[in-house]
Amino acid sequence: GQNIDQPTEMTATEGAIVQINCTYQTSGFNGLFWYQQHAGEAPTFLSYNVLDGLEEKGRFSSFLSRSKGYSYLLLKELQMKDSASYLCAVGTISSGSARQLTFGSGTQLTVLP
Amino acid sequence: DAGVIQSPRHEVTEMGQEVTLRCKPISGHNSLFWYRQTMMRGLELLIYFNNNVPIDDSGMPEDRFSAKMPNASFSTLKIQPSEPRDSAVYFCASSPMTSGHEQYFGPGTRLTVT
Repeated sequence: GQNIDQPTEMTATEGAIVQINCTYQTSGFNGLFWYQQHAGEAPTFLSYNVLDGLEEKGRFSSFLSRSKGYSYLLLKELQMKDSASYLCAVGTISSGSARQLTFGSGTQLTVLP
Repeated sequence: DAGVIQSPRHEVTEMGQEVTLRCKPISGHNSLFWYRQTMMRGLELLIYFNNNVPIDDSGMPEDRFSAKMPNASFSTLKIQPSEPRDSAVYFCASSPMTSGHEQYFGPGTRLTVT
C-alpha cells in the first residue's frame, strides 16, 4: 500500500514563496504528481516527476527524491488565486494497466494580502 | 474538447434509494477512474477501467457499490441502497493509457443522502 504525508494547512503572503512538502512510502512507484483543487471544484494537474530533480513550470516547480521518498511543490510570486488545496499523489502501475494514483490528504494553502 | 462530463452535478436522495452517477470520458482516453472525496477520508480511488474493462475495484467500499463501462464513452457508478455515509463528492477522471500521465477530472457529483 501507500502512505502519503503532507501538512494540513499553510499560510503565506502575496508575492512570497511557499514550499509544500510531501513524503511517501510505496511499492511500485511510478511518478509523483501534484494537483491543485480550489474549493468546490475538481482537481487539476500541476506537475509530474518520475526522475529525481527539479521540474519547473512557470511560477510552479516540483522536486523529487526517490531515495528519500520526498517531494515538494514550490510556488513563487504567490497570488491570491493560489489559495487552494494542493494534493500530492503517488503513481503506481501494474503490467498492462494505466497509472493509478493514490492521493494525500491535501495541504490547504491560504494566501494573505 | 468538452472535457470529462458528469451528471448529475448534485443529487439529494433518501436513505435506501438507488443512485446512479454518470460519466462521459474525454474522447480517445482509454482509462477511466471513479473517485470519492470526503473531508474525513480525502480523495479515494474506487475503481478504474482500461479499455472498458474493470481493472481494480479494491477501493469499492462494499457490495452496495457497482460500476459499469458498457462502451468507451460512458460509465456509471451505482449505489443501491444508498446510506447517509455515502454522502460525498464523486469524481470521474480519464486519461490516455499508453502515453499520458495526467488524469483529467470531471466537475464531480455532490451526493447527499438523507
